[in-house]
Amino acid sequence: QVQLQESGPRLVTPSETLSLTCTVSGDSIYNYYWSWVRQPAGRGLEWVGRIFPGGRIDYNPSLTGRVLMSVDTSKNQVSLTLTSVTAADSAVYYCARGRGLVDGVFYYDMDVWGRGTTVTVSS
Amino acid sequence: SYVLTQPPSVSVAPGQTASISCGGNNLGSKTVHWYQHKPGQAPVLVVHDDYDRPSGIPERFSGSTSGNTATLTITRVEAGDEADYYCQVWDGGSDVYVFGTGTKVTVL
Repeated sequence: QVQLQESGPRLVTPSETLSLTCTVSGDSIYNYYWSWVRQPAGRGLEWVGRIFPGGRIDYNPSLTGRVLMSVDTSKNQVSLTLTSVTAADSAVYYCARGRGLVDGVFYYDMDVWGRGTTVTVSS
Repeated sequence: SYVLTQPPSVSVAPGQTASISCGGNNLGSKTVHWYQHKPGQAPVLVVHDDYDRPSGIPERFSGSTSGNTATLTITRVEAGDEADYYCQVWDGGSDVYVFGTGTKVTVL
C-alpha cells in the first residue's frame, strides 16, 4: 500500500525559503508523477506543480519564478522549494500521486494523497 | 485562467441523495475528477475520468457529465459522507491542474 508523508518546517519567516519533502513508501517514484497541492486556511485546493521522475516539470504559472520541484530517487522522495514566501503562502501542503500513462492512456487524476503538512509564514 | 464553479454548500438528510455540480467553460471537452476531503485528512479520489470509481469507493458515489456541467451524485447518504468535495480537471490550454471552488456537504 503506497503511503505519502510530507515533512518540513512548520514556521517560515517572510521573504525566506520554504522547503518540503514528500517521502514515498510502498512503491517506486519512477512509476508515477508527483504533484504538490496546497490549501490556505478556509480556502480551496490549489495545484502548485508536478514532476515526472524522467525530467519533465510543470508549475502553476501563478508561482513561476518562485517554485522548484525535484526528486531524489535514491531516497524515494519528492521535494518542493518555494522562495520569497509571504503570508499568502501559508497553507496545508499536500503531496499527491498521479497515475500518468497507463496502457496508452494518460490519467490526470491524483489517486493517492498524503495527510499534508501545515506551513505558516510569519515573523 | 480556467475556473470551475461549484455550489458552496449542499445539505442532505441521511438516506437521501446529494448532487454536487461543477461548471466550467467547455467542460465537456475535458475529463473531470472528484475528491472527498475531510478535515485533517488526506483528500480521497472518489470518481475519476467523469464516471469511473477507484477500487474501494462505494457504488453510492457516481459521476456524470452533461454539456458544460459535471455532477457528483451520492445516493443513500450517510453521516460519514459529510466532507468538502472538489472537482478537478487538467487545462491543457495552459498546462494547469484546476480545482473547483469546493462544496461542503452537510448531513442533517
